[in-house]
Amino acid sequence: GDSVTQTEGLVTLTKGLPVMLNCTYQTTYSPFLFWYVQHLNEAPKLLLKSSTDNKRTEHQGFYATLHKSSSSFHLQKSSVQLSDSALYFCALSPNAYKVIFGKGTHLHVLP
Amino acid sequence: NAGVIQTPRHKVTGKGQEATLWCEPISGHSAVFWYRQTIVQGLEFLTYFRNQAPIDDSGMPKERFSAQMPNQSHSTLKIQSTQPQDSAVYLCASSFRTDQDTQYFGPGTRLLVL
Repeated sequence: GDSVTQTEGLVTLTKGLPVMLNCTYQTTYSPFLFWYVQHLNEAPKLLLKSSTDNKRTEHQGFYATLHKSSSSFHLQKSSVQLSDSALYFCALSPNAYKVIFGKGTHLHVLP
Repeated sequence: NAGVIQTPRHKVTGKGQEATLWCEPISGHSAVFWYRQTIVQGLEFLTYFRNQAPIDDSGMPKERFSAQMPNQSHSTLKIQSTQPQDSAVYLCASSFRTDQDTQYFGPGTRLLVL
């Protein structure tokens, strides 16, 4: 069946370092992939969205490339800031009738 | 645009009581989603309406939980005979048409069942 996997539950790193949050998926459809970010006591908000293979999508310094060959949509940033500390969800929409969220990865940025 | 509105923001109920949660989607959005969020389970999909019709309720516990969308401007999630394990933040989201459009989340209703 359709599924999305985020392998890290918690990522802790120091301000200014690069980060990559992993997201892999399984589906037989040609999907849309999303990254949502949720700051403490706030609602999730869209960060990135893509359905185009091998095309880099960027927003607010974050970027991700959908690789259908490896079923991945990893989120990256070259230099994290304290304000990036949040919960990040990868989501899969395999068709127009379904969306599946991953378990989420907590990103904790240290000064 | 006020965004997705959810009321109440906080609700405390006693075990066995009923809880009704309200969601007003963004005007013009035809898809409405309900999720439950806990620290242990993360973000769990509950149910999805499109043009007020139920599309997918595969995440809804079959007993005690029900959802309706009587008109395009609001949806309700009702939990009968609430149990402590129902304590969670219940999030409503809307999107323009389908799952593949961006979802805009409301602030959530924090339900505490004592």
